[in-house]
Amino acid sequence: KNQVEQSPQSLIILEGKNCTLQCNYTVSPFSNLRWYKQDTGRGPVSLTIMTFSENTKSNGRYTATLDADTKQSSLHITASQLSDSASYICVVSAVSGTYKYIFGTGTRLKVLA
Amino acid sequence: NAGVTQTPKFQVLKTGQSMTLQCAQDMNHNSMYWYRQDPGMGLRLIYYSASEGTTDKGEVPNGYNVSRLNKREFSLRLESAAPSQTSVYFCASSEVLLAGPEFTEAFFGQGTRLTVV
Repeated sequence: KNQVEQSPQSLIILEGKNCTLQCNYTVSPFSNLRWYKQDTGRGPVSLTIMTFSENTKSNGRYTATLDADTKQSSLHITASQLSDSASYICVVSAVSGTYKYIFGTGTRLKVLA
Repeated sequence: NAGVTQTPKFQVLKTGQSMTLQCAQDMNHNSMYWYRQDPGMGLRLIYYSASEGTTDKGEVPNGYNVSRLNKREFSLRLESAAPSQTSVYFCASSEVLLAGPEFTEAFFGQGTRLTVV
C-alpha cells in the first residue's frame, strides 16, 4: 500500500530556533515530492517540489531535502518565526496509469515567542 | 486574482439532506479536484477532473457526485448527507494533472467546513 508518514506529529519550538520535519514514503514508482504549508482554517500552499534527481530545494527559510534511495525527505526551517506556526504536509506522487498523489498526515508546528 | 474560490465556507446539514459545494478557479487550469480532510488523516481525494468534460473517482467517492460544469467550475454534491461526511472539504486546481509526468502546481481553496447532524 502506498503510504506517506510524517514525524513528529507535533512540535513546539521557540521563535528564532531551527527545526527539521521528517517524511518517509513507500509510494512507487516515485515521480515527485512536495511540501505544503497549511495555516489553520486555510487550504495548503506549496513550499517546494522535488523530482527524483533533486536532493535539495530551498524557498527562503525553508529547505527541503530528498533521498530517493532511502525514500526519505526532510523540511528544515531556519530561524523560525511566529508565522511559521502551521501544519506542514508532505505529498508524494507516483508515475502511474492511474492518479496517485498521496498526502501525509502532517506535522503541526507551534512557534512560541 | 482570486485563485480558487469555494462556497459556502460553513454548512450544517441534517442527516439525509442534500447540498452542493461550489468551486471556481480563475487561473484557466485544466484539472480540478475535491478532497476531504479529517483529523489525524491526510487529505483524501474524492473525485477529480483531469480536463473539462471528464471526471474520475478518487480514493473515497462513495456518497458523492461531481459535475465539471465548464473549465472554471467543479461542483461536489452530497445527495443524502450522513454524519460520516462531516469533514472539511477542499477544492484544488492545477494546470495539468498533478500525478502526471509534467511538473505542475496545485492551488487550494480555503475549504468548506461541513457538519452533518
